[in-house]
Amino acid sequence: GQQVMQIPQYQHVQEGEDFTTYCNSSTTLSNIQWYKQRPGGHPVFLIQLVKSGEVKKQKRLTFQFGEAKKNSSLHITATQTTDVGTYFCAGYHRSYQLTFGKGTKLSVIP
Amino acid sequence: GAVVSQHPSRVICKSGTSVKIECRSLDFQATTMFWYRQFPKQSLMLMATSNEGSKATYEQGVEKDKFLINHASLTLSTLTVTSAHPEDSSFYICSARERTGADTQYFGPGTRLTVL
Repeated sequence: GQQVMQIPQYQHVQEGEDFTTYCNSSTTLSNIQWYKQRPGGHPVFLIQLVKSGEVKKQKRLTFQFGEAKKNSSLHITATQTTDVGTYFCAGYHRSYQLTFGKGTKLSVIP
Repeated sequence: GAVVSQHPSRVICKSGTSVKIECRSLDFQATTMFWYRQFPKQSLMLMATSNEGSKATYEQGVEKDKFLINHASLTLSTLTVTSAHPEDSSFYICSARERTGADTQYFGPGTRLTVL
């Protein structure tokens, strides 16, 4: 079946360090979405990438969609304590079934 | 581990009928399950939070009599869309929070509902 693998599962960084989470799909995606879930909260939509090789930025966050549309990454520059949470990628396959990765839990040490 | 299943994965029904969607945590106990709705290529929208053995908490704007949620056990929650109409057509996703890991949430694969 369709799978979306996300690594790492956990990441602990010192405040100010960079952070990257990677998402890989077993099949080509029509688009990919990223969500952030704060501790105790529910996933909040961050962004959607559609085009092959697309790169989008939101302040300190950089999102990339691979050329083959099978992988994606989220990079945070100079992490802050407000970045703490779990980041999920979710990919849409041709069947319009949204498959979520298991998430990367980010801890930021002040 | 930590697998959440949903059934059915796809359902097509006639307007006016009711549809039940099941969400199961297969290898862990979930005191809390969440139900989301997502329109094509749009953000996930939280509909309700259900805790085992108690009434679900619905988000503002979600009709509780329209979307019945039952969380009867630590591994099963159901969402029933009553008297479905074409505007209820959507992608419904559940997620489950582990009993021991309060911040860890696992998503089901979703159910595509089409109301004719």
